[in-house]
Amino acid sequence: AQKITQTQPGMFVQEKEAVTLDCTYDTSDPSYGLFWYKQPSSGEMIFLIYQGSYDQQNATEGRYSLNFQKARKSANLVISASQLGDSAMYFCAMREGQAGTALIFGKGTTLSVSS
Amino acid sequence: NAGVTQTPKFQVLKTGQSMTLQCAQDMNHNSMYWYRQDPGMGLRLIYYSASEGTTDKGEVPNGYNVSRLNKREFSLRLESAAPSQTSVYFCASSEQRGRKLEQYFGPGTRLTVT
Repeated sequence: AQKITQTQPGMFVQEKEAVTLDCTYDTSDPSYGLFWYKQPSSGEMIFLIYQGSYDQQNATEGRYSLNFQKARKSANLVISASQLGDSAMYFCAMREGQAGTALIFGKGTTLSVSS
Repeated sequence: NAGVTQTPKFQVLKTGQSMTLQCAQDMNHNSMYWYRQDPGMGLRLIYYSASEGTTDKGEVPNGYNVSRLNKREFSLRLESAAPSQTSVYFCASSEQRGRKLEQYFGPGTRLTVT
């Protein structure tokens, strides 16, 4: 079974609209962390936001927020007021257990923002 | 503040050639990682080093070796390159800072094996 599932291969949104990118995860470890990364066409991986499994509040970083629903094992990324520069591939990832362990990535969602 | 640096940025190898990808971080992170990214897929872990002096296999370690030279540097070696190793390689480092886990990636190395 996949540990990280991103069911939307592609999403389309107009400038200034909000968009939600879906991510569900599967783990039996009570301690885990969830990440979202942005990969523009230039190829670098840009860290966006992090949510720890014990964090009580949803993480927010500027226009990015993470809708963390622990019981449903979902960690959706919400981008408010989309901009043309948000067009990119977005990856959800999870770290299980201790901080030294590696991330497990989903297959990504391509977001296209139009004017 | 350089963060995570990788060299080279691009490389073309012939089947059977060897090479080493270099990675360094200046954030004093304990943990370092090597991932590969193939078209249409997320990143897959090749090897990681939870702390200086330790290395462990990830999901796809075959055909690779690693060296954690010191706290800053973590290299990936292809002893005998194969076309299946054509990919983009990312190095990353991480550290727990209080309640937040920092995890940052290098710019990537695009490797083609012919």
